[in-house]
This record gives sequence, structure tokens and C-alpha cells, in this order.
Amino acid sequence: AQTVTQSQPEMSVQEAETVTLSCTYDTSESDYYLFWYKQPPSRQMILVIRQEAYKQQNATENRFSVNFQKAAKSFSLKISDSQLGDAAMYFCAYRSARNTKGGSEKLVFGKGTKLTVNP
Amino acid sequence: DVKVTQSSRYLVKRTGEKVFLECVQDMDHENMFWYRQDPGLGLRLIYFSYDVKMKEKGDIPEGYSVSREKKERFSLILESASTNQTSMYLCASSFEREGRDTQYFGPGTRLTVL
Repeated sequence: AQTVTQSQPEMSVQEAETVTLSCTYDTSESDYYLFWYKQPPSRQMILVIRQEAYKQQNATENRFSVNFQKAAKSFSLKISDSQLGDAAMYFCAYRSARNTKGGSEKLVFGKGTKLTVNP
Repeated sequence: DVKVTQSSRYLVKRTGEKVFLECVQDMDHENMFWYRQDPGLGLRLIYFSYDVKMKEKGDIPEGYSVSREKKERFSLILESASTNQTSMYLCASSFEREGRDTQYFGPGTRLTVL
């Protein structure tokens, strides 16, 4: 079974600075997807960024980028120019790319990292 | 925009009551999911469904059941609520097409069982 580990329960960053959130995962599969989700306080969980394992290029979405190291099974999230609105719980998640009903659709989540942004 | 709605934001029930949590999505998604979220434990999958009337157990199905009679609606049922089921419950839905597998989440229902 796949597992996702976020080793930092809490992180903090100064506004306008850069912060990196860590995520490692364990799988025997070669093809899969990785995600970072953001859950602001009392608000809905939303997708931040997505990476396909077969792509070597790291995904980027504006100020958010990932460092995907497939051999090391590492998938860290870098937030540049941090803003107060980035304060949230961040969850790393894994999804198999197997095209089979009744199993591959689900996400495996890490336990989350609470990010605080200091003004 | 994809919309996933949940019937209640806050719910207070008594031990032994039967509890229904409803989730509706408006984007014709095949897959729907129920999670519970607890501090320090992250999100844990209770049940999911990849088609109408189909359901699969997640990681923690004990004490829960689900129903999916229509594609847009996925219900979570607590047959006899217990205090250890006090939690935040999140519903999500996703497409079943390659490259369109992002899960969209509802706002959550915070359930307290007294």
C-alpha cells in the first residue's frame, strides 16, 4: 500500500519570503500522480499543483512550484514571495495511474503541514 | 466552476442517533468520496463510489455506510452515531478521465456527537 509522509507538522515564513514544504511517499508503482492541496482556515480544500510521475519537468503554478525527485520519492512544494493568504494547511497526496475501477481513483493523503505567514 | 455542496456546515447529534450527511456535485463527475479529517491524522478515506450504486470501502469504513442512487448525490450514513465519530467530514468528487483526475472538495460538515 502507498503511504505519504509530511514530516513538518507546522512551518512558518515571513511575508515575501520563500518556504519549502516537504513530502515523501512510498510506492512500488512507476506511474502515478502527485498533488498538493491547500485548506485555508474554515474554507474549502483546493488543488494547488499537480505532477505526473512520467514527466521529468517540475510543475509550476505562479508562485508555487514543486521539486519532484522520483528516485528519492520526494515531492516538495516551494512557495515564493509568500503572502498572508497562503496561510493554510497543506496536504500532499498520491494517486495511482492504474486504470482500474474500484481502487485507483482514490487519493492517499499525508497528515498535513500547517503554514503560518508572519507579516 | 465545479461545485460540491454538503447539506450542513455544522451538525450536533446524540449518541445512538442515525445521521445522514448529504453531498451533491453539479459537474457530472463519476467518482465521489467521503473523508473524515481529524487533527494530526490528516484525511482518511471512509468510502468512495466510482459509479451509481457502486461503492468501495476506504481505509476506515467501520460504523459508516453510503448510498449513491443518483450520479450527483452521495450520502454518508452513521447508523448509530458514537462520540468517536465526532469529526469534520469532507466530500469530494472527480472526473474519470485521464488528466482530469483532480478531486474537488465540499466545504465540510463538522459533526459533534454528544
